[in-house]
Amino acid sequence: SAVISQKPSRDICQRGTSLTIQCQVDSQVTMMFWYRQQPGQSLTLIATANQGSEATYESGFVIDKFPISRPNLTFSTLTVSNMSPEDSSIYLCSALESSYNEQFFGPGTRLTVL
Amino acid sequence: SQQGEEDPQALSIQEGENATMNCSYKTSINNLQWYRQNSGRGLVHLILIRSNEREKHSGRLRVTLDTSKKSSSLLITASRAADTASYFCATDRDQGGKLIFGQGTELSVKP
Repeated sequence: SAVISQKPSRDICQRGTSLTIQCQVDSQVTMMFWYRQQPGQSLTLIATANQGSEATYESGFVIDKFPISRPNLTFSTLTVSNMSPEDSSIYLCSALESSYNEQFFGPGTRLTVL
Repeated sequence: SQQGEEDPQALSIQEGENATMNCSYKTSINNLQWYRQNSGRGLVHLILIRSNEREKHSGRLRVTLDTSKKSSSLLITASRAADTASYFCATDRDQGGKLIFGQGTELSVKP
């Protein structure tokens, strides 16, 4: 199974600032995704990180707020822009192993916005 | 949008007992996956069951899938205190990898 790491593991940020979260997979994967988990809630898909092209966003999420990069098959970043306290969540990246369709998750980034 | 609903929302049992969690979903699926999350950390992949499978085992875990009822269950046998966690089901409609998660079951196993 793919091993996924994320940096930072947690951060406390001031409102109005931006934070970039990095996601690294130990093998080449076809698809990578970003999810958000708000306090006490389940996970919601933010976007699909497409290698070499613009990410595909789900309803309710926009590129200006959550710009995503994926320069190669093992790495992606998610930026949370112009943060507000409502952005306080755990952000998780995931990778899809296409051979088995199993999706593995990183350890998450716990973001607190003051 | 959340496709899955899980019940119970919370479950408290004694060590050694079995724990059963249920997941229902609304649309047709390609596969269903179960995950464990400890204290707001990352998700640990437990098991994937495909739409053409009815039952799958992995160690102390047993997962069933009933596509006619659009439901799945996760059974943990001989539970341990270390099984204390939140458990989520997630469905993939079209192999595209876009998972839709249930609300989760919070399991507490008391020693």
